[in-house]
Amino acid sequence: LAKTTQPISMDSYEGQEVNITCSHNNIATNDYITWYQQFPSQGPRFIIQGYKTKVTNEVASLFIPADRKSSTLSLPRVSLSDTAVYYCLVGAADSSYKLIFGSGTRLLVRP
Amino acid sequence: GAGVSQSPSNKVTEKGKDVELRCDPISGHTALYWYRQSLGQGLEFLIYFQGNSAPDKSGLPSDRFSAERTGGSVSTLTIQRTQQEDSAVYLCASSLALVSSYEQYFGPGTRLTVT
Repeated sequence: LAKTTQPISMDSYEGQEVNITCSHNNIATNDYITWYQQFPSQGPRFIIQGYKTKVTNEVASLFIPADRKSSTLSLPRVSLSDTAVYYCLVGAADSSYKLIFGSGTRLLVRP
Repeated sequence: GAGVSQSPSNKVTEKGKDVELRCDPISGHTALYWYRQSLGQGLEFLIYFQGNSAPDKSGLPSDRFSAERTGGSVSTLTIQRTQQEDSAVYLCASSLALVSSYEQYFGPGTRLTVT
């Protein structure tokens, strides 16, 4: 499983766009990139998953450059309720059923 | 529909006692996973089930930990002779199948405190 590196914490203000970048230099050819969100006292929640280029859903966008050695989770116009820990995970679709969570990025959205 | 449920939500036990933690996955999900999260830490993978089978138990922290799943549904994580270092939130997740391209749905967790 590819190791991931992401910032420990980030601060933002309501209404701003937040971009959290994750490095995964050793990503394998068949690895997907997945982001989870975790609120205090709750289990993680799936946000978005991608393999290459750009993926967008109703919650976020995921940008993956051609070399796939990093990825950026983009949260448009954050609100206070987006304050959470965001985890970047990398694993193969066929065998890496174990989700290996790193330390995550603690995002604090201020009013 | 109903999500993953876990019980109890909180458990306080004395050191040396045995505890059982229960997980009810989403109906139809064949894969089930157990994780634990210590205070302020990331998640640590413990074990997974495909159906009722747990092929790889190497993630369990010690031989005091065991898990089973019956009927392809409910799973129980048992910790024998609990120690203070077992204190953590134990999270259960399920997914449609045993591949990481399927999202895992997590339950709210069981907070275990060993005194």
